Amino acid sequence: NAGVTQTPKFRILKIGQSMTLQCAQDMNHNYMYWYRQDPGMGLKLIYYSVGAGITDKGEVPNGYNVSRSTTEDFPLRLELAAPSQTSVYFCATLEIYGTSGANEQFFGPGTRLTVL
Amino acid sequence: DQQVKQNSPSLSVQEGRISILNCDYTNSMFDYFLWYKKYPAEGPTFLISISSIKDKNEDGRFTVFLNKSAKHLSLHIVPSQPGDSAVYFCAARGNTNAGKSTFGDGTTLTVKP
Repeated sequence: NAGVTQTPKFRILKIGQSMTLQCAQDMNHNYMYWYRQDPGMGLKLIYYSVGAGITDKGEVPNGYNVSRSTTEDFPLRLELAAPSQTSVYFCATLEIYGTSGANEQFFGPGTRLTVL
Repeated sequence: DQQVKQNSPSLSVQEGRISILNCDYTNSMFDYFLWYKKYPAEGPTFLISISSIKDKNEDGRFTVFLNKSAKHLSLHIVPSQPGDSAVYFCAARGNTNAGKSTFGDGTTLTVKP
């Protein structure tokens, strides 16, 4: 199993360009998340999805869009890149099972994005 | 208002000694607390968790302690090993919020041989 995969690993964008960060998982987890991590900071939730066709905003959604047409894929779209979106982006999955909510998230390796 | 705080950006310990990483939270609705470990250029990986109904959870060299009245938790690593050098994130979430976690800013642990 590949787990959670993200592409590309690195990308440099010019201001105003657009791009899609890809995230795919083969664990059949219903829950998926996009986080960004700025230097020296923790992870901030951008968007999340509890299943195919269902998405919702997280803490910092402005400037981003997502879609979830399948269980496996959860792409993140940047429409008009800005320098403030320079960050490392992590995709994560979660499967809540049993009565415990302490189940861990599984993270991809990240995409390092620079906007110049 | 930061709901999960890790007040020590860095910690350095000698190999074989104990490492203690601290985390404070403000939201009394948090039910679960998790620690993740992150190496450079990799995604975070799960280390250990604790439910709010417990005050201690142990897994090998790693123990997490929870003090609900103080809204404080700590991760103890005994004995510390050079391979433990990484960034450690504390995360918290409620039981009914779609698994969304709030993360602290992380503590960089360096274990010196």
